[in-house]
Amino acid sequence: GENVGLHLPTLSVQEGDNSIINCAYSNSASDYFIWYKQESGKGPQFIIDIRSNMDKRQGQRVTVLLNKTVKHLSLQIAATQPGDSAVYFCAENIRGSQGNLIFGKGTKLSVKP
Amino acid sequence: KAGVTQTPRYLIKTRGQQVTLSCSPISGHRSVSWYQQTPGQGLQFLFEYFSETQRNKGNFPGRFSGRQFSNSRSEMNVSTLELGDSALYLCASSLAGPVGNSPLHFGNGTRLTVT
Repeated sequence: GENVGLHLPTLSVQEGDNSIINCAYSNSASDYFIWYKQESGKGPQFIIDIRSNMDKRQGQRVTVLLNKTVKHLSLQIAATQPGDSAVYFCAENIRGSQGNLIFGKGTKLSVKP
Repeated sequence: KAGVTQTPRYLIKTRGQQVTLSCSPISGHRSVSWYQQTPGQGLQFLFEYFSETQRNKGNFPGRFSGRQFSNSRSEMNVSTLELGDSALYLCASSLAGPVGNSPLHFGNGTRLTVT
């Protein structure tokens, strides 16, 4: 995949445990945030999004938390499964900047069966 | 509903050549964005099109260009290829209208290798 050879932060968890992936974003003018999952040989896959007027949003097995005070975003995955193993990216969109997501460097999640 | 389709999946080109990549968005999506992904720089925004108009552009040289057709399909072109253009080129589509945001949905990319 595209991240081979790149030193990515790695999170290793046991199957069934909860995972928390953290991300610091850069721009105070960002008003929309997305988490993506990328598996080897594939494009980023949308997981969940959150707008800046919210601080928490839940999906199926996933929760995103937004702390605007410290410009921090996190993704919580409940009951992590081997199929969750992938690289996870947070992305921010600056208000008014259409289609332009600023991506973080990514975190590699490895789930041990 | 079919996802974002990119063709070709793989390309090998020589320095100095040019290349055209194609993207078909999800049906009903009118916004198409292009990104370059490399191990060193990560995912970087190239440009975004909506209703055949480029609305936004990233910080890439003029050798990188794109266009969108009336059916929302998009192409990007890279002229005078350099070794550093080797990357995974990703297309994404969204429902985003004239204003506001909605999630970008990505295709699986075109892997370009320049030799």
